[in-house]
Amino acid sequence: GAVVSQHPSWVICKSGTSVKIECRSLDFQATTMFWYRQFPKQSLMLMATSNEGSKATYEQGVEKDKFLINHASLTLSTLTVTSAHPEDSSFYICSARRQGGTEAFFGQGTRLTVV
Amino acid sequence: LAKTTQPISMDSYEGQEVNITCSHNNIATNDYITWYQQFPSQGPRFIIQGYKTKVTNEVASLFIPADRKSSTLSLPRVSLSDTAVYYCLVGAIAYSGAGSYQLTFGKGTKLSVIP
Repeated sequence: GAVVSQHPSWVICKSGTSVKIECRSLDFQATTMFWYRQFPKQSLMLMATSNEGSKATYEQGVEKDKFLINHASLTLSTLTVTSAHPEDSSFYICSARRQGGTEAFFGQGTRLTVV
Repeated sequence: LAKTTQPISMDSYEGQEVNITCSHNNIATNDYITWYQQFPSQGPRFIIQGYKTKVTNEVASLFIPADRKSSTLSLPRVSLSDTAVYYCLVGAIAYSGAGSYQLTFGKGTKLSVIP
């Protein structure tokens, strides 16, 4: 099956710093990637949708200047949490869909802790 | 986007068949139905996808009635390792690979398998 890899799996950063999370589709080209955030005991919340080579579409309430998304190639999308604060601590998950495909495949997630 | 409704939780004994039903009354003509499984601190894992009637793979079956306003995920002979949250999602397919293929998660069903 299709494999989506996220890096890092977990990260701890100081308040005010920025953190970059990578999402790679290892064995297929992903024309569309999605970024989600999940708080403990809650469902996944869609943050943004990105298509390769174009700007990401952010969901209502998600600050695009704080959560920078880049989808520069068909196999890589990055999410940068800028000026992170403790309330940004969460589980961030990406997913990718191949061109013409019907399923979306998910990465293993990144646990971000801001101290 | 079609909204989905699932039971919050279900319990089952090992070895039994489990059926989880999802309601999606306002499903659109070009919407597919996809089920994912999620373990704690992991990304969702694709289980099965269908458009109508019945779909079966090596891990599950998906039953979709003619009106497509609901669907039922059937897990045969569950084991303790099937304890997880199961999500039903409904979303459009963009055959070109671009566009508005969004996957919005509902609250999911927490399945607990009891020995």
